[in-house]
Amino acid sequence: SYELTQPPSVSVSPGQTARITCSGDALPKKYAYWYQHKPGQAPVVVIYKDSERPSGIPERFSGSSSGTTVTLTISGVQAEDEAEYYCQSADTSGTYVVFGGGTKLTVL
Amino acid sequence: QVQLVESGGGVVQPGRSLRLSCAASGFTFSSYGMHWVRQAPGKGLEWAAVISSDGSIKYYGDSVKGRFTISRDNSKNTLYLQMNSLRAEDTAVYYCAKDRADPSPGCDMWGQGTMVTVSS
Repeated sequence: SYELTQPPSVSVSPGQTARITCSGDALPKKYAYWYQHKPGQAPVVVIYKDSERPSGIPERFSGSSSGTTVTLTISGVQAEDEAEYYCQSADTSGTYVVFGGGTKLTVL
Repeated sequence: QVQLVESGGGVVQPGRSLRLSCAASGFTFSSYGMHWVRQAPGKGLEWAAVISSDGSIKYYGDSVKGRFTISRDNSKNTLYLQMNSLRAEDTAVYYCAKDRADPSPGCDMWGQGTMVTVSS
């Protein structure tokens, strides 16, 4: 089955830049999505179609893609950004949706 | 505003069945595919199933295939997940999510989730 690989954790100090990567063989052919998930809350999409930011999401959130890796970048990290972040995409057939294992962002 | 409200969770014995519902409002439900995604305690998000806007196309994750059935009633703006032959490992918060309708599947709105506990 298809898998997306994320680092388990990333730690940054407030004001610094956090980068979370997600790797998968089908990423050159399928869009990636990024979700922010805080305990007890519904997940929120922060990036769609690799690099598009939904309305209402702060400009400090951005996404990029290069080959089989997509990256979520949070510039000027704030304490409120501490959360679990998940990438999501699909296999080349588009019939199997997959989430990465999640990355815990800790703001020191 | 767009709202998704799940219901139907609870405690169920292994081997039994349960049906979850997701009531949608604030958008044209019949125009969008819908997903079920779950999160077991202490684990990450796991995709379970997706259904097309008209209900004619359905796909499932490997861990639920053959046991769970996704369906929808567009006249009632409601999504369902019929879960049969439940196992302890199906214990999770179950979320419904609206698909964005991009060329690739991706969600732009999620419900708050409903907890399912499979235990004897």
